[in-house]
Amino acid sequence: GDSVTQMEGPVTLSEEAFLTINCTYTATGYPSLFWYVQYPGEGLQLLLKATKADDKGSNKGFEATYRKETTSFHLEKGSVQVSDSAVYFCALSPYGNNRLAFGKGNQVVVIP
Amino acid sequence: EAGVAQSPRYKIIEKRQSVAFWCNPISGHATLYWYQQILGQGPKLLIQFQNNGVVDDSQLPKDRFSAERLKGVDSTLKIQPAKLEDSAVYLCASSSSAWGQGRSYNEQFFGPGTRLTVL
Repeated sequence: GDSVTQMEGPVTLSEEAFLTINCTYTATGYPSLFWYVQYPGEGLQLLLKATKADDKGSNKGFEATYRKETTSFHLEKGSVQVSDSAVYFCALSPYGNNRLAFGKGNQVVVIP
Repeated sequence: EAGVAQSPRYKIIEKRQSVAFWCNPISGHATLYWYQQILGQGPKLLIQFQNNGVVDDSQLPKDRFSAERLKGVDSTLKIQPAKLEDSAVYLCASSSSAWGQGRSYNEQFFGPGTRLTVL
């Protein structure tokens, strides 16, 4: 079935460091891919999305490119801030429906 | 525009007791989703409604979980009887439809969730 795999473990880094969170997926056809973010005490929010191969989603300085050849959708940000501390989830939606399948999430902690 | 509302925010019960969660979606949203998020995992879809009909309940443990959306607006998720492994955050989400007119994903908006602890 459709699934998403995120790199293991929390990510701790200093302010202004470069952030990468790996995400790979398994799906038939052409799913849409997403990154959701959950800030402390808040609900899940859509951070960015890409709906077809080679699309780049971007928002708030974060970027991710839909790579069909490597079935990946890695999240990157060039210079993180303390306010980026949150849990980040990679997700996919199979073509033709609105269901979401999530990865396990990565806790990101940015230290001043 | 008001977001997705859920209540209660927290609930603690003993195993074998019953519990119910309530969700009010964004006004006008036809599609409603319930997810279960166990600590350390991503949300897992339990059930999806389109108006007051069930679209997908393939991952709902139907021996103990039930959900309804009688008038196509509010929804209730019930667990009876609860087990220890049901401890989780239960998230409700809504979208304007199940699939966009442009043959595209329709964004889901999530509520704050209900944290259930089963002792």
